Amino acid sequence: DTGVSQNPRHKITKRGQNVTFRCDPISEHNRLYWYRQTLGQGPEFLTYFQNEAQLEKSRLLSDRFSAERPKGSFSTLEIQRTEQGDSAMYLCASTLSGGFSYEQYFGPGTRLTVT
Amino acid sequence: QKEVEQDPGPLSVPEGAIVSLNCTYSNSAFQYFMWYRQYSRKGPELLMYTYSSGNKEDGRFTAQVDKSSKYISLFIRDSQPSDSATYLCAMEDPFGNEKLTFGTGTRLTIIP
Repeated sequence: DTGVSQNPRHKITKRGQNVTFRCDPISEHNRLYWYRQTLGQGPEFLTYFQNEAQLEKSRLLSDRFSAERPKGSFSTLEIQRTEQGDSAMYLCASTLSGGFSYEQYFGPGTRLTVT
Repeated sequence: QKEVEQDPGPLSVPEGAIVSLNCTYSNSAFQYFMWYRQYSRKGPELLMYTYSSGNKEDGRFTAQVDKSSKYISLFIRDSQPSDSATYLCAMEDPFGNEKLTFGTGTRLTIIP
């Protein structure tokens, strides 16, 4: 499969625990995005990387959230001290920046449930 | 007011009907317009991608963009039960950070 992959697909955790999600983008894509989607809403931008550099973070991304993309390949999103309001689908997307194409391709998402 | 407005539906139509889905937006900087299809508990799948105003056709799908009215549409001809999904419009400012701004999505059901 040459698409965007995300792991785990589902995560159930107790309030206060830390969780980490992984995204593997399409191999030649240099730009990687994280979005969050709650029930009945469209995805909302959280942060993005150009290669290994994190270039922007949304104000939705509180201090409890941190994202990394070491070596410009896969990315991780960590949530510390989870809260029930963090329950959502976390989506990763990738694209090839610098060309004339702005299509973003999404992974299947990680569904987080905080109990 | 949200930057992108989309009727959440739900919308139910009989098989074979023409479906019309729409979004309005307020940010005139948006230049790229996309439609994604999302099946339940899956990630969004890119359907159509359009630059600026005009029409684009791909099989049974036609995307229209009217920048003067800040209005975009997706038409589905000869709708099939497999088209039942949530359809999300998305827009991008190419001079921003190229993040997508999404509508809320319209839930569509095609009745056999």
